[in-house]
Amino acid sequence: DTGVSQDPRHKITKRGQNVTFRCDPISEHNRLYWYRQTLGQGPEFLTYFQNEAQLEKSRLLSDRFSAERPKGSFSTLEIQRTEQGDSAMYLCASSLTGPSTDTQYFGPGTRLTVL
Amino acid sequence: QKEVEQDPGPLSVPEGAIVSLNCTYSNSAFQYFMWYRQYSRKGPELLMYTYSSGNKEDGRFTAQVDKSSKYISLFIRDSQPSDSATYLCAMRRTSGTYKYIFGTGTRLKVLA
Repeated sequence: DTGVSQDPRHKITKRGQNVTFRCDPISEHNRLYWYRQTLGQGPEFLTYFQNEAQLEKSRLLSDRFSAERPKGSFSTLEIQRTEQGDSAMYLCASSLTGPSTDTQYFGPGTRLTVL
Repeated sequence: QKEVEQDPGPLSVPEGAIVSLNCTYSNSAFQYFMWYRQYSRKGPELLMYTYSSGNKEDGRFTAQVDKSSKYISLFIRDSQPSDSATYLCAMRRTSGTYKYIFGTGTRLKVLA
């Protein structure tokens, strides 16, 4: 088990372009989360999946953001028509549901820079 | 007012000191509490997980939850320069959501 992986690790794009990030959770983890983190702040929740179902979305997730988790395995986060304010670290985490447990394990993140 | 408050620091301590890191929160429904360590430009690394109240110890780390005061703490004994990082607290309610709310993080510097 290699932990949560994210790809790419870094992405530089021009304003107005679309970008897509991928997250591979720890195998057998049924929950997958996306967070956004800017400098000096803690991670902010964007959305989460239980298996393939997207069960909760933050108001931070504008119409330009979409996330999928086909077949309940890996997940993608797409940002359309990127803006400079989208520059941040995008973090993915996964967890396994159980009685009184819900520990999230994070990936290394994808750092997005929008020029 | 934020749901979770955390002093951003930086907190500087000499090597070997006991470090106390804290978070306060406003939502009495929070039951799951976690502490993460994050090195610069890396993803957060899980340190401690506590459900409901009480203490939990793991090596040099002790997590405490005081639900009556809405206050959680992380203690680091015999601090090392390698402990220099940002420490994040996170918490969520028992039901209705699986969304975790994070503090802003406290930057810790352990001086050799």
